Amino acid sequence: NAGVTQTPKFQVLKTGQSMTLQCAQDMNHNSMYWYRQDPGMGLRLIYYSASEGTTDKGEVPNGYNVSRLNKREFSLRLESAAPSQTSVYFCASIRQGSGDNVLTFGAGSRLTVL
Amino acid sequence: GNSVTQMEGPVTLSEEAFLTINCTYTATGYPSLFWYVQYPGEGLQLLLKATKADDKGSNKGFEATYRKETTSFHLEKGSVQVSDSAVYFCALLNQAGTALIFGKGTTLSVSS
Repeated sequence: NAGVTQTPKFQVLKTGQSMTLQCAQDMNHNSMYWYRQDPGMGLRLIYYSASEGTTDKGEVPNGYNVSRLNKREFSLRLESAAPSQTSVYFCASIRQGSGDNVLTFGAGSRLTVL
Repeated sequence: GNSVTQMEGPVTLSEEAFLTINCTYTATGYPSLFWYVQYPGEGLQLLLKATKADDKGSNKGFEATYRKETTSFHLEKGSVQVSDSAVYFCALLNQAGTALIFGKGTTLSVSS
């Protein structure tokens, strides 16, 4: 089925460990995003990639790195996890310039940092 | 800068009651406006959208009208159902199409 696929769905880390959240879309979208969702905070943009080969910081980029591996894939890396990074992470994509401007979301990745 | 403010919840209603969730925005130019819904344990889904002033977005009995004069995009439904219980997010896409900004979300709980 077409859409945005995130892995893993759940992950528990210890403080200081590293991990990468993977995201892939098969809709030929050019722009991809990583958000985190925390209670009472809504969704906050971590990083986005307007097109293959480009990445830009969002509202809360500290402690994260991203890689736009190709047009389909956009990964989010935590080099040294902290408890403050416990959250639900959502990847999303959109075809900029299509006139549609609808963001399609993945199902989310729940990360707990102990 | 661009921002979205929506009413804080939770909103608790009985089935068949009228629903309004307020949303106001700050933006330069002509943004597009959206309502997304998140059901428990799931990602966000587009509920409705409006791309220019006075447009009305509608879906599943929900409606919202893009009011540029009041910079608002309030969500309404005439008769809510238990299955409408979810978190609702108002969002703005800037005119350049490079940034989608969300409000903090409003939790709706409908009881039978």
